[in-house]
Amino acid sequence: DSGVTQTPKHLITATGQRVTLRCSPRSGDLSVYWYQQSLDQGLQFLIQYYNGEERAKGNILERFSAQQFPDLHSELNLSSLELGDSALYFCASSTHHHSGPGGYNEQFFGPGTRLTVL
Amino acid sequence: GIQVEQSPPDLILQEGANSTLRCNFSDSVNNLQWFHQNPWGQLINLFYIPSGTKQNGRLSATTVATERYSLLYISSSQTTDSGVYFCAVEMHSNSGYALNFGKGTSLLVTP
Repeated sequence: DSGVTQTPKHLITATGQRVTLRCSPRSGDLSVYWYQQSLDQGLQFLIQYYNGEERAKGNILERFSAQQFPDLHSELNLSSLELGDSALYFCASSTHHHSGPGGYNEQFFGPGTRLTVL
Repeated sequence: GIQVEQSPPDLILQEGANSTLRCNFSDSVNNLQWFHQNPWGQLINLFYIPSGTKQNGRLSATTVATERYSLLYISSSQTTDSGVYFCAVEMHSNSGYALNFGKGTSLLVTP
């Protein structure tokens, strides 16, 4: 158990709908990252928050948004869902926002939310 | 961004055999991690190893940062080692940092 929790484990919805995925980081971790794993694109970084502020954006679609709350949990909102959004969505957490030379910033992953869009 | 290449893409071993998985990366890195994704989809941390050598039971890893590669050794493989092994390096992305994953090595260990 990594200490990162994600809910729900599975989500089945229809095209055009909106869903919210939730993540609670490990105790003491300030950074939360969201990743998407699909068969054709592999594991891709979506977005990072550090202590409530957005710090980095990857290949995140405009239909997707996220936030990190004062208690450090994070939510990923996916709207106007398409069939191609079906994927495994992971949340990860770490202590800092980056490693830096000689620094330590190991990322730990939650169990993921498997989203199926029908 | 930093390119991460893993080899081989697929590997089939008989239980008890040893194997070496390779990860090449295109630039210097501050962070390199190895993960095992089990058949249930969980990503399990194996090593945090930007340089040097570490061992954990039957697994060990070596990163030669100056030559931009990392190796994961699995000895006396067991069927529970099956799954996909990912190498990931920290990349700089739009003022922040995140992990950039290779495509993985899919390992099947047969009894």
